[in-house]
Amino acid sequence: EAQVTQNPRYLITVTGKKLTVTCSQNMNHEYMSWYRQDPGLGLRQIYYSMNVEVTDKGDVPEGYKVSRKEKRNFPLILESPSPNQTSLYFCASSLLGQGASKLFFGSGTQLSVL
Amino acid sequence: QKEVEQNSGPLSVPEGAIASLNCTYSDRGSQSFFWYRQYSGKSPELIMFIYSNGDKEDGRFTAQLNKASQYVSLLIRDSQPSDSATYLCAALYSSASKIIFGSGTRLSIRP
Repeated sequence: EAQVTQNPRYLITVTGKKLTVTCSQNMNHEYMSWYRQDPGLGLRQIYYSMNVEVTDKGDVPEGYKVSRKEKRNFPLILESPSPNQTSLYFCASSLLGQGASKLFFGSGTQLSVL
Repeated sequence: QKEVEQNSGPLSVPEGAIASLNCTYSDRGSQSFFWYRQYSGKSPELIMFIYSNGDKEDGRFTAQLNKASQYVSLLIRDSQPSDSATYLCAALYSSASKIIFGSGTRLSIRP
């Protein structure tokens, strides 16, 4: 089954404790992206990647890191989480660049930073 | 700053009526437009995309694009309670390989 797998689904942590949210897709998509969703603000892009070893900042990259060492994986790293990073996070992938492209989303990760 | 604007709603429509959702975008460089539906607590799912001026129909859904007015809309005919969700409009800016989302319109279909 074609899918984007995100883990964990829920995460509660404390300020300053490094964490990683994993994202993996099995569709051989070149494009992967991370979004955060906050009430009234919609989906805001954090980072995106066009292919292996190619990443770029989205609209709200501060406080986040990503890596794309393999085509299928695109982890999101919070080196020193802060309470303002409490949010719902989505990973997505697509065949961007090949016509009108459909984003496939993971199930989301609800992060709470205390 | 590239922006996609939507009325947050809620938009309340009686069952069986036509629901009309609207979206405007700020940058003429955008090339493709998408409508995603998101149920509460779930991830967004694509329901329509459009990149040419005019109408595109798929079942009960019609997407409309007017590039001169920088306006995109989604019509849902014969609205059902299962259509109650938040609808996200998105624009693809190919020059930057970015997809920008609006904040979403919450739609409620009342029986």
